[in-house]
Amino acid sequence: KQEVTQIPAALSVPEGENLVLNCSFTDSAIYNLQWFRQDPGKGLTSLLLIQSSQREQTSGRLNASLDKSSGRSTLYIAASQPGDSATYLCAVRVQTGANNLFFGTGTRLTVIP
Amino acid sequence: NAGVTQTPKFRILKIGQSMTLQCAQDMNHNYMYWYRQDPGMGLKLIYYSVGAGITDKGEVPNGYNVSRSTTEDFPLRLELAAPSQTSVYFCASGRQSTDTQYFGPGTRLTVL
Repeated sequence: KQEVTQIPAALSVPEGENLVLNCSFTDSAIYNLQWFRQDPGKGLTSLLLIQSSQREQTSGRLNASLDKSSGRSTLYIAASQPGDSATYLCAVRVQTGANNLFFGTGTRLTVIP
Repeated sequence: NAGVTQTPKFRILKIGQSMTLQCAQDMNHNYMYWYRQDPGMGLKLIYYSVGAGITDKGEVPNGYNVSRSTTEDFPLRLELAAPSQTSVYFCASGRQSTDTQYFGPGTRLTVL
């Protein structure tokens, strides 16, 4: 069974700093990997989706990388802002079945003004 | 488009009571999902549906039931509520099994 781990569980940084969030998974046979943002009391919002054949995806100040062979992904946030404060979840989609999305426990990010 | 909507937002139940969590989507997605999120844990799949009339169990189905009579609606039924079902419940939908899932705002359920 796929296990997804995110470290650290919580992170505080001053505004303007660049930062990296980590995600690791145990089975490299994945279809794609997705990063979500979750605000308190809200649902999940998809940020970036990387297909297994890709190495990275970028959207604005966000860049996600994927190293399938080592079972790792990183989410890089440039020039962090207080509005980036949220919990970031990594989810791995395995190759078969509709029951195929496995979530990490998330990293709670606080950007201090 | 409203996307994925869930009702209620909050609910407190007593042990042994029953309730239905409502979920609807207006994106004409075939796939719909119910997850639960416990504090400090990742989301766990309860049930999913690949189309109207078709449902299947996920990782943690015990104590729950679902139905899918229409493409739009996917209610989750809790029978005989237990404290272990205290959680935040999210409904999601997607066009295909490998596509991005779109999530509702969640229902926070407490069983006392």
